[in-house]
Amino acid sequence: EVQLVESGGGLVKPGGSLRLSCAASGFTFSYAWMSWVRQAPGKGLEWVGRIKSKTDGGTTDYAAPVKGRFTISRDDSKNTLYLQMNSLKTEDTAVYLCTTVLLWFGEDSGIDYWGQGILVTVSS
Amino acid sequence: DIQMTQSPSSLSASIGDRVTITCRASQSISSYLNWYQQKPGKVSKLLIYAASSLQSGVPSRFSGSGSGTDFTLTISSLQPEDFATYYCQQSYSTPTFGGGTKVEIK
Repeated sequence: EVQLVESGGGLVKPGGSLRLSCAASGFTFSYAWMSWVRQAPGKGLEWVGRIKSKTDGGTTDYAAPVKGRFTISRDDSKNTLYLQMNSLKTEDTAVYLCTTVLLWFGEDSGIDYWGQGILVTVSS
Repeated sequence: DIQMTQSPSSLSASIGDRVTITCRASQSISSYLNWYQQKPGKVSKLLIYAASSLQSGVPSRFSGSGSGTDFTLTISSLQPEDFATYYCQQSYSTPTFGGGTKVEIK
């Protein structure tokens, strides 16, 4: 059974930093493309960023609102995904969800597994 | 970034109704369009990927169609468990989601 468990959320002041972790199990993590999605309270889903498997280059992509401030990384030896968030803004307040990317013919074809999410609140 | 526009933003329907939700991309995305269902307090669920491929385990009353810029999600006969919010997402370039469509009970 695929399990994705996020941790590291909490309250942080504007301009601060936070690192989220996602412990993955139930699949071969090193082969997986992983992504982060967020959902602000009462709002819709927002894609945050993605990291490919090392065999596919290990490259990252980010949504425009977080590019240059957020960094996604992975530790395949620990089956763990990370999201380093710097220069946080109040508009970054959201539940952050760790997800796996469905690959179809080697292409990103959506999200097939989701974690339960972790709340990040940016407030003074 | 590619903008995804869903319509309507909400709708009311009865059990057994045929429901159609539309998603429009700001530029052509070929068939790189995915649909999700979200219920309060539950993990989101992938329904359709690549515009028309049914994800494993998803009931056949759900179907997707379209290519280029215009796409639809159809529920052929609405069931009680289908009342939820539905999102489209493009994965042609840096992925983006539509704003969502809330399906409510009439």
